[in-house]
Amino acid sequence: QKEVEQNSGPLSVPEGAIASLNCTYSDRGSQSFFWYRQYSGKSPELIMSIYSNGDQEDGRFTAQLNKASQYVSLLIRDSQPSDSATYLCATLHKAGTALIFGKGTTLSVSS
Amino acid sequence: NAGVTQTPKFQVLKTGQSMTLQCAQDMNHNSMYWYRQDPGMGLRLIYYSASEGTTDKGEVPNGYNVSRLNKREFSLRLESAAPSQTSVYFCASKTSGTPYEQYFGPGTRLTVT
Repeated sequence: QKEVEQNSGPLSVPEGAIASLNCTYSDRGSQSFFWYRQYSGKSPELIMSIYSNGDQEDGRFTAQLNKASQYVSLLIRDSQPSDSATYLCATLHKAGTALIFGKGTTLSVSS
Repeated sequence: NAGVTQTPKFQVLKTGQSMTLQCAQDMNHNSMYWYRQDPGMGLRLIYYSASEGTTDKGEVPNGYNVSRLNKREFSLRLESAAPSQTSVYFCASKTSGTPYEQYFGPGTRLTVT
């Protein structure tokens, strides 16, 4: 089982809707979680970090962490066509040495 | 402040040829990484360097070697390229303590024929 699992999608939402992206992880010891956005042909860009249970909000983005369920999610409110991209979930590998990534979920926002 | 830079941006190799991918960061980060990204496979860690003078294997190290030349530079070498190494290669660097923020370079698109 890969350490970080994501549904590859595509996830399609209309403009203005809430997009919900989900991620599960296998290592109960993982403490730090990250969401990256990657536009086609570009490099991944960090958009959210979350380290404790609950919600972390930044503008239209909310990251949610539930360590008991080993589940991380990203909510994008008021989705825009410019949010269309692949979203990568990552956790800090044991020993805190490297990020391990899921395969990513492709989001498509239609106008 | 350029962040993480990579050269070259594109490269085509024939099977058996060798080449070195260069990476440099100007953020004074201790840790640096090489990933490859293939369709349907996500980002996979090849090698990393937690600090100057140390390197360690990641998930897919076979066929690659690395050198941490100094704190700024971390190179990836393909000694004898194979078609299976056709991929997009990303270099990244990361802060040592919290927040653990990892930043990526623009990538190198490598094709091995």
